[in-house]
Amino acid sequence: GNSVTQMEGPVTLSEEAFLTINCTYTATGYPSLFWYVQYPGEGLQLLLKATKADDKGSNKGFEATYRKETTSFHLEKGSVQVSDSAVYFCALIMNTGFQKLVFGTGTRLLVSP
Amino acid sequence: NAGVTQTPKFQVLKTGQSMTLQCAQDMNHNSMYWYRQDPGMGLRLIYYSASEGTTDKGEVPNGYNVSRLNKREFSLRLESAAPSQTSVYFCASSESTVTNYGYTFGSGTRLTVV
Repeated sequence: GNSVTQMEGPVTLSEEAFLTINCTYTATGYPSLFWYVQYPGEGLQLLLKATKADDKGSNKGFEATYRKETTSFHLEKGSVQVSDSAVYFCALIMNTGFQKLVFGTGTRLLVSP
Repeated sequence: NAGVTQTPKFQVLKTGQSMTLQCAQDMNHNSMYWYRQDPGMGLRLIYYSASEGTTDKGEVPNGYNVSRLNKREFSLRLESAAPSQTSVYFCASSESTVTNYGYTFGSGTRLTVV
């Protein structure tokens, strides 16, 4: 079946450090890919998405590029802030017929001042 | 504000008690979902409703029932709560035919079964 694998956390960084959270996927076909963010005590919010190979999703300084050849969608940010501390979920959905969103297990990011 | 509204936000139940989690969306979405979130396991799909009048099982349906009351509302019922159902529950909705827009999530219900 389709699945998403994320790096285990927590990822601990100092403010202004560079962030990478790895995400790879397994799918029969070509899915759309998403990053969701969950701040403490809140629900999931869509952070960015990409719907086809080589697309780059971006939002709030975060970026991720859909790499078909490596089946990856790694999340990056050049300079993290304390307010970026949250849990980040990578997810996929197939683009044919009615499909359901498949999530990775999430990666907790902790940013210290 | 437009979005997905879940009630209650917190609940403590005794083993064997029943309760219904409520979810409503005002975005005219066709599809709705119930997920549970557990540490180290991410989000797992309990039930979903592709459109009004239909419901289907997800990955972990045992111990739960759902009702798609109308296009806006999708409830999740625990008939006889067990400690294993202690979790955070999220409702979500989406356009059924434009799946690459992703889902909109509610803020969650934190349920503890003692």
